[in-house]
Amino acid sequence: AQSVTQLDSHVSVSEGTPVLLRCNYSSSYSPSLFWYVQHPNKGLQLLLKYTSAATLVKGINGFEAEFKKSETSFHLTKPSAHMSDAAEYFCVVSRTTSGTYKYIFGTGTRLKVLA
Amino acid sequence: DGGITQSPKYLFRKEGQNVTLSCEQNLNHDAMYWYRQDPGQGLRLIYYSHIVNDFQKGDIAEGYSVSREKKESFPLTVTSAQKNPTAFYLCASSHTGSGGYTFGSGTRLTVV
Repeated sequence: AQSVTQLDSHVSVSEGTPVLLRCNYSSSYSPSLFWYVQHPNKGLQLLLKYTSAATLVKGINGFEAEFKKSETSFHLTKPSAHMSDAAEYFCVVSRTTSGTYKYIFGTGTRLKVLA
Repeated sequence: DGGITQSPKYLFRKEGQNVTLSCEQNLNHDAMYWYRQDPGQGLRLIYYSHIVNDFQKGDIAEGYSVSREKKESFPLTVTSAQKNPTAFYLCASSHTGSGGYTFGSGTRLTVV
């Protein structure tokens, strides 16, 4: 069975410093993994996705994530945080049931960016 | 522009009342989904549909109902049987068999 664990519920960084949001997954086969961002009272926006191509995935707004099978991790990083990055981030693994895809969401990491 | 529209943005429900949340997409996506979001719990799947006139229960379907009479529309009814309906509700759509959902901007339901 597939599952996903976001290791930190809250992360605070100073503007201009690196961002690391951690995600571990469990999957019985090669998973599809995603990171989404949600600003307050808004829907979710896709940042990036991994679907068994390159292990280093580049997304929007300078974010990237590396798929590490040996560590079952898919951590999200950004070299330099911006105030506009303050939001909630969700790591997602996709599972298939009878040929259809469904998402399993992590519980989210709230990123705070300090001026 | 293609997208997915949820309405209303805010909804207030009295005890014992049914309410319906609207979700419309013009992306020609086959699959549509309803999620409930509570603080600290991530998103939980209520119902999903991969084809018109067919839908399946998700992980927390009790107290909810849906219909899929048109490809573009997937309304969610929160019935009086749902004992704790106050939450943020998100609708999403995707092409069947592929990753990458498109989400609506959500409806915040409050019981008064």
